[in-house]
Amino acid sequence: GESVGLHLPTLSVQEGDNSIINCAYSNSASDYFIWYKQESGKGPQFIIDIRSNMDKRQGQRVTVLLNKTVKHLSLQIAATQPGDSAVYFCAENGGTYKYIFGTGTRLKVLA
Amino acid sequence: DAGVIQSPRHEVTEMGQEVTLRCKPISGHNSLFWYRQTMMRGLELLIYFNNNVPIDDSGMPEDRFSAKMPNASFSTLKIQPSEPRDSAVYFCASSLGGRGEKLFFGSGTQLSVL
Repeated sequence: GESVGLHLPTLSVQEGDNSIINCAYSNSASDYFIWYKQESGKGPQFIIDIRSNMDKRQGQRVTVLLNKTVKHLSLQIAATQPGDSAVYFCAENGGTYKYIFGTGTRLKVLA
Repeated sequence: DAGVIQSPRHEVTEMGQEVTLRCKPISGHNSLFWYRQTMMRGLELLIYFNNNVPIDDSGMPEDRFSAKMPNASFSTLKIQPSEPRDSAVYFCASSLGGRGEKLFFGSGTQLSVL
């Protein structure tokens, strides 16, 4: 699986507000999903994961929602902070070693 | 846990030179992946190792690319000879099982071939 990152959609959020980043996944057989955060010049950082037997999972300030009916994944970040500014992308996996990565969304936090 | 460790962080070389990228996976992980990231193509899987054995190298662009995993704690990706179009960020990632498991990435090697 490949993702194209030529023009990333950008989400601008005021500091302190909640952020919602969306991902439409491609394979209906995918049963495991990961959200990554990638800051400039750094590697993708694991944020949170969810398996298909769940539709919601919460972490520290983050929540992932999974809607298998429409093949949609979202990442909610509560009380967005300047340090949350990064590119966020999802990854899907259907039980093999191949992960399909989403195109990514750039989150900009406005002071 | 030190995470996945890659070296060097940056590599600048001239066309035709040999480049070797290094990776130390997370201890206990038996699956290792090499990815390449570019603006145009995003993350591309180059090669996947399981228990030190190359399972899928179909993503390796050309014979100029080769990868080895001599033991569970070390892998190399070599490009010989390097070309300007090889310029990209190369990531190593590891996971516990390789299938539907948490995948952790290293900090990457930014390669520039002049």
